[in-house]
Amino acid sequence: GAVVSQHPSRVICKSGTSVKIECRSLDFQATTMFWYRQFPKQSLMLMATSNEGSKATYEQGVEKDKFLINHASLTLSTLTVTSAHPEDSSFYICSALDRPSGANVLTFGAGSRLTVL
Amino acid sequence: SQKIEQNSEALNIQEGKTATLTCNYTNYSPAYLQWYRQDPGRGPVFLLLIRENEKEKRKERLKVTFDTTLKQSLFHITASQPADSATYLCALGTGNQFYFGTGTSLTVIP
Repeated sequence: GAVVSQHPSRVICKSGTSVKIECRSLDFQATTMFWYRQFPKQSLMLMATSNEGSKATYEQGVEKDKFLINHASLTLSTLTVTSAHPEDSSFYICSALDRPSGANVLTFGAGSRLTVL
Repeated sequence: SQKIEQNSEALNIQEGKTATLTCNYTNYSPAYLQWYRQDPGRGPVFLLLIRENEKEKRKERLKVTFDTTLKQSLFHITASQPADSATYLCALGTGNQFYFGTGTSLTVIP
C-alpha cells in the first residue's frame, strides 16, 4: 500500500531558529499533500494544502510567512517553521492524497514532534 | 455553522464486546466518509471509506454505516480486542477536501 515517510520524527530547537520537516510519498506520486498540526488529545487542524508546482493554500489563521511550505516534486513536500517560538511546539503531521480505488484516501506520515526551547 | 461531532471523548468496553462509535455532522454534504485509526504519537491510518450512496461497508471485524438523512455514521468493531485500543477519527470528504472529527479514544479492557 501507499507509504508516506515523514522526517524527522522528533526535533528540539532553540527559540528563533528554523526547522524543516520533510514529507515524502515513497511508492506513489502525490500531486496534493496536506499539513496538519495536532495538540494533545485534540483532532487534526489543517494548516495548508500543498499542490505540486504551485503555491500552498493556507487555512485561515495560519501565517504563511511563518510556516513555509514547498512542494517541488511529486514525491516531496516540506514544511519549514521559521523563527520558531515555544508556542510553535506541537505535533505536525503530513498526508498525501492517493486514489487506490478511485476514491480519495489520505495516507499519513508518522508525524514530527517539535519542541522549541 | 459546520460541525463534526464524535460521541464521547472516551469509550471503554470489555474485550469481546462490540464497540460502536458515532460521527454526527451538520452543514456538510460529503461525497464520502472515512474512518481512521490513530495511535499515540503516530499519524492516522486509513481504515474504511463509505460513499454517500452506500449504506454499509464491512472489512473483517469492522463495519461502517452511513445515513445521509440523519447525517450520521456509525463505526462498529466486533469481537473487540485490547489491540483495538486507539483513537478513531471520522473524516468527511468532498473532492480533495477533508474535514476531521475530534476523535473518540477507545480502550478495550481485557
